[in-house]
Amino acid sequence: DGGITQSPKYLFRKEGQNVTLSCEQNLNHDAMYWYRQDPGQGLRLIYYSQIVNDFQKGDIAEGYSVSREKKESFPLTVTSAQKNPTAFYLCASSPLAGGTTDTQYFGPGTRLTVL
Amino acid sequence: AQSVAQPEDQVNVAEGNPLTVKCTYSVSGNPYLFWYVQYPNRGLQFLLKYITGDNLVKGSYGFEAEFNKSQTSFHLKKPSALVSDSALYFCAVRPLSGGYNKLIFGAGTRLAVHP
Repeated sequence: DGGITQSPKYLFRKEGQNVTLSCEQNLNHDAMYWYRQDPGQGLRLIYYSQIVNDFQKGDIAEGYSVSREKKESFPLTVTSAQKNPTAFYLCASSPLAGGTTDTQYFGPGTRLTVL
Repeated sequence: AQSVAQPEDQVNVAEGNPLTVKCTYSVSGNPYLFWYVQYPNRGLQFLLKYITGDNLVKGSYGFEAEFNKSQTSFHLKKPSALVSDSALYFCAVRPLSGGYNKLIFGAGTRLAVHP
């Protein structure tokens, strides 16, 4: 899991609540990503950021929001608009934004459960 | 549509035997190819990647992968499996188009190595 930390490890949310997942990296990476993992579906990209104060929607951004105020931090908010938020959420980072050969490195994940 | 296929949901291997986890892709051009491993309730760990050059790529923990351009495949291999290799394995493809470090993941293959 390298220098990427995610918290909390487990998170429980009541319906109608917004929750924020933390992702911090000390690798001095430019780019950061949020993925959602569901059983049997692999990983799907929610949002990505190539530089501070800029981020772009991925394939499944509806119901989620992000911010990138600092290079090392990329928090994800799961809003009440996300209809099926129960999943395992993975944060990743890579050294150079847009670098074609850059490997993405992943954090340990946060498991979100809606009660 | 760009996609990655891992045709086997699960692969069962006896300890000490060789293992193969299959991956094929449907992406235009010459994409970059990656393998990751995930242990239960953990993030993804990078194993190896193919960018260019020798079709046989060596990675972490004794794993290697063979790139076959004509068959658009990137199968993961290990000469002698260990019980500790039991985990979920993901193949990922980085298309050359897109403008950012986009990864397309397969659905994953669960490897079970029996003593």
